[in-house]
Amino acid sequence: GAVVSQHPSWVICKSGTSVKIECRSLDFQATTMFWYRQFPKQSLMLMATSNEGSKATYEQGVEKDKFLINHASLTLSTLTVTSAHPEDSSFYICSAGQGNPGGPQHFGDGTRLSIL
Amino acid sequence: QKEVEQNSGPLSVPEGAIASLNCTYSDRGSQSFFWYRQYSGKSPELIMFIYSNGDKEDGRFTAQLNKASQYVSLLIRDSQPSDSATYLCAVKRGGADGLTFGKGTHLIIQP
Repeated sequence: GAVVSQHPSWVICKSGTSVKIECRSLDFQATTMFWYRQFPKQSLMLMATSNEGSKATYEQGVEKDKFLINHASLTLSTLTVTSAHPEDSSFYICSAGQGNPGGPQHFGDGTRLSIL
Repeated sequence: QKEVEQNSGPLSVPEGAIASLNCTYSDRGSQSFFWYRQYSGKSPELIMFIYSNGDKEDGRFTAQLNKASQYVSLLIRDSQPSDSATYLCAVKRGGADGLTFGKGTHLIIQP
């Protein structure tokens, strides 16, 4: 079945550091990938839509200069949290869909980001 | 604003019984409907998806959709302790859109 790989699983770093998270579709090509964020005891919130070969589309309230998204190939999207601060600590999860654009999204294992 | 509402629970169900999870959504333009299961500290796992009004069955799971009432439900038959998790309802407007999630229902299956 479709597999989405996300790396790293855990990141602990100091305030002010920039952190890059990778999302790969392992056995299919994904022109569109999605990035979500989940705070403790909250649901997943869509941050942005990553489009291969073009600019990402950000949801209202998400700073595009802080959360840089690059989708340079059909199997890889990256999210860079620039100058991360403690309030950016969260569970970041990517997803991609295979085949029918309206079809189900498969999620990566997520990246738990802790900013000290 | 798109909203997906779920009862947060916890919903406690005896082992072997039917667990019934409900979800309502506000965006009438929603076209695709999904149920995900999320264990604590893990990412969501797809359980079911449904596009058309009516019922869709897959093993012990049945998804039900009523677009007129803007209502989606998930039935889990012969509930097992391993079904204990948070169940997330999600909707999608169109192919290029991401998912809008509810806050999830915490389900506990009592042995």
